[in-house]
Amino acid sequence: NAGVTQTPKFQVLKTGQSMTLQCAQDMNHEYMSWYRQDPGMGLRLIHYSVGAGITDQGEVPNGYNVSRSTTEDFPLRLLSAAPSQTSVYFCASSYSNGMEEKLFFGSGTQLSVL
Amino acid sequence: GQNIDQPTEMTATEGAIVQINCTYQTSGFNGLFWYQQHAGEAPTFLSYNVLDGLEEKGRFSSFLSRSKGYSYLLLKELQMKDSASYLCAVFSSNTGKLIFGQGTTLQVKP
Repeated sequence: NAGVTQTPKFQVLKTGQSMTLQCAQDMNHEYMSWYRQDPGMGLRLIHYSVGAGITDQGEVPNGYNVSRSTTEDFPLRLLSAAPSQTSVYFCASSYSNGMEEKLFFGSGTQLSVL
Repeated sequence: GQNIDQPTEMTATEGAIVQINCTYQTSGFNGLFWYQQHAGEAPTFLSYNVLDGLEEKGRFSSFLSRSKGYSYLLLKELQMKDSASYLCAVFSSNTGKLIFGQGTTLQVKP
């Protein structure tokens, strides 16, 4: 099993550009989520999904879109990148969205918006 | 809403014991997690508590008091490789969300 695979590892964008961060898991997990991590802010939840076809907003959803057409994939789209979106992004999954369910994290994407 | 507080930084000596505290406020509390994150890497799961008391796993133990909204992670026999950030996270069944604190960066010195 590859676990949670995130691409790309690094990305530089110009303000206003759009891009998609890819996330895939091969553990048949129902729950998937995206976090961003900034110095002094910890991990903040952007969007999450409890199953294919179902998505919901986290703490900081503005400027990001997600979709969940399959159980395996949960891409994160930046529609018009802004410098405030410079951050490290982590995708995570778990078997279900409930107590006891530990998250498995991808290796992260370091994004810089100039 | 949910609010989680942890100290920003801690320093300890190799071989010693260190306790990292976490206080939280949330509705519909349904479990508290501790994750370890080395610099430049992804977080990895350390422990989970949903009932009051101490859970021990080798050199690491985690304690929970639901009435006080308080948890701590206890690291014994510290090793240099324990230098990392330790993230406290709380799951709320009301919101269905796992929310993280800002993390505590632990530096272990020889």
